[in-house]
Parts: sequence; C-alpha cells; structure tokens
Amino acid sequence: GNSVTQMEGPVTLSEEAFLTINCTYTATGYPSLFWYVQYPGEGLQLLLKATKADDKGSNKGFEATYRKETTSFHLEKGSVQVSDSAVYFCALLSGNTGKLIFGQGTTLQVKP
Amino acid sequence: DVKVTQSSRYLVKRTGEKVFLECVQDMDHENMFWYRQDPGLGLRLIYFSYDVKMKEKGDIPEGYSVSREKKERFSLILESASTNQTSMYLCASSLAGRATNEKLFFGSGTQLSVL
Repeated sequence: GNSVTQMEGPVTLSEEAFLTINCTYTATGYPSLFWYVQYPGEGLQLLLKATKADDKGSNKGFEATYRKETTSFHLEKGSVQVSDSAVYFCALLSGNTGKLIFGQGTTLQVKP
Repeated sequence: DVKVTQSSRYLVKRTGEKVFLECVQDMDHENMFWYRQDPGLGLRLIYFSYDVKMKEKGDIPEGYSVSREKKERFSLILESASTNQTSMYLCASSLAGRATNEKLFFGSGTQLSVL
C-alpha cells in the first residue's frame, strides 16, 4: 500500500544553518507530494507541494523536489530561523482513494 | 480567513465514558476528516465525510463513530473511552471532490487524556 517515511527527529540546528529533512514514499501510480508544517499549539498547514516528477515546490524559503527515480521528496532550507521551529510532515495524496497519507512527522528546533 | 474550530483544547475523561469531540468549519467545505496524532506514528485517518449524513471509515475506525447532521459540523464519538485512545485529535476540512484533499485546513487539535 501507499506509505510515507520521514527521518526521525528531533532535529536541532543553530540559526542560519542548512536544513534537510528526508522523506521517501511508496505509492502506486503518480501521487502528488506535500509538506505540511505544525507550529506549536496550532493545526497543520500546507507548506508546499509538487504534483509530478521533477517539480519543485517552494514557499517561505523552503524547497522540495519530486524525485521519482529515488521516490523522495526531501525538504530543504538554506538558512533556518528560530521561527521555523515546528513539526514537519511529509504527505502524499493517493489518487485512488483521494486520501492524504502522512509520514511520522519530524520535529525541528532552531536555537538562536 | 478560513477557520476550523475544535470545541476543546484539552479534555480529560475516565475509562468507559462516552466522549464527544466537536468540530465546526466556516468555509462551506463539503469534506471533513478526523485524524489522531501520536508521537512516532504521524497522523492516522479515523473517519471522513464527503457530504452531510455521509461517512466513511478511515484507517483506524475501531472504537470510534462519527456524526454529520449539518454541513459545517463533524463530530467524533468515542462510544466507551479507553486509555489507548489518549491522543491528540485533529479535525480537518477541504472543498468538494477528492482532488481538493491536497489542501486540508486543520483545527488546532484536542488533546484527550483517558484515565
């Protein structure tokens, strides 16, 4: 079945460090891929998305590229800020079921 | 601004109690969802609804039921709460149609503790 696997956290970085959070997926067909972010005390919100192979999603300085050959959608940011501290979820949209399938979530803590 | 409101931020209940978690959205969305969020497991879909009076089981429906009497309101019911249902519960909604599920709007969550 469809599934999403993220790197385990927590990830702790200093401000202005480079961020990578790994995400790989298993899916039949050609799913759309997403990153959602959950700030402390809030619900999840869509951060970025990519709908086909080689697409790059970007928002707020974050980027992720849909890599079909490696079934990956790693999240990157060149210079993190304290305000980026949150839980990040990778997800895929199953075309067959119309359901979003989430990874385990990765907690990012950025220290000043 | 889009809003999904969950009635309680924190809830403490006893084993065996019947528990109602309420969710209301003000965006006239057709689709509504209930997830539970547990450390290391991410979000798991409990139930969802694509229309009033309609419901479908998600991946982990056992021990839960739902009610959707009005378009804006989707209730999650724990018939007889158990300690393994201690979790963060998240409600979400999206526009009509399966393709629109890519952009879910989430509430802030209800942290339920069953003692």
